[in-house]
Amino acid sequence: DSGVTQTPKHLITATGQRVTLRCSPRSGDLSVYWYQQSLDQGLQFLIQYYNGEERAKGNILERFSAQQFPDLHSELNLSSLELGDSALYFCASSAQGIPASEQYFGPGTRLTVT
Amino acid sequence: AQKVTQAQTEISVVEKEDVTLDCVYETRDTTYYLFWYKQPPSGELVFLIRRNSFDEQNEISGRYSWNFQKSTSSFNFTITASQVVDSAVYFCALSEALLASDSWGKLQFGAGTQVVVTP
Repeated sequence: DSGVTQTPKHLITATGQRVTLRCSPRSGDLSVYWYQQSLDQGLQFLIQYYNGEERAKGNILERFSAQQFPDLHSELNLSSLELGDSALYFCASSAQGIPASEQYFGPGTRLTVT
Repeated sequence: AQKVTQAQTEISVVEKEDVTLDCVYETRDTTYYLFWYKQPPSGELVFLIRRNSFDEQNEISGRYSWNFQKSTSSFNFTITASQVVDSAVYFCALSEALLASDSWGKLQFGAGTQVVVTP
């Protein structure tokens, strides 16, 4: 158990809909990262937050957005969903102030868009 | 730009055989970190090791060992005396360490190598 929690574990929704994925980092970790894992793209970095502020952005679509709240949990919002958004979405957290420290991953949310 | 290449898509071995996973990386940074993660069939990503670019000392942890060679930009991983529980996808990843970098902390993953260990 990494200490990172993600809800829900599975999500099935239809095209055009909007969903919210939730992540709670390990106790004490200020950085939260979101990754998408799909068969065709592999594991791709989406976005990083550090203590409530956006720190780095990767290949995140404009239809996707994220935020980190004062209690450090994070949410990833996916809107106008398309079939291609079906993937496993991981959240990870890492310790504060340590360059490129190891990231501990949650169990993931499997999103299926039908 | 960062790039991580894991040329081996799948490796199949019989239990107790050794298996070596190759990882080649590209980066223009002089300071960076390399990682290995394991993804068993249950799907979670498990952290295995983190090495920085200034520490080329090889490391052994139980049945796992890592060979970091900066001259060839490789960070290979060996499982000795493999077991069925080692069956998983193994990912090599690279991260910049420059605090001012726009992608500080981002993990650039390779495509992964599926290891299948049969009894």
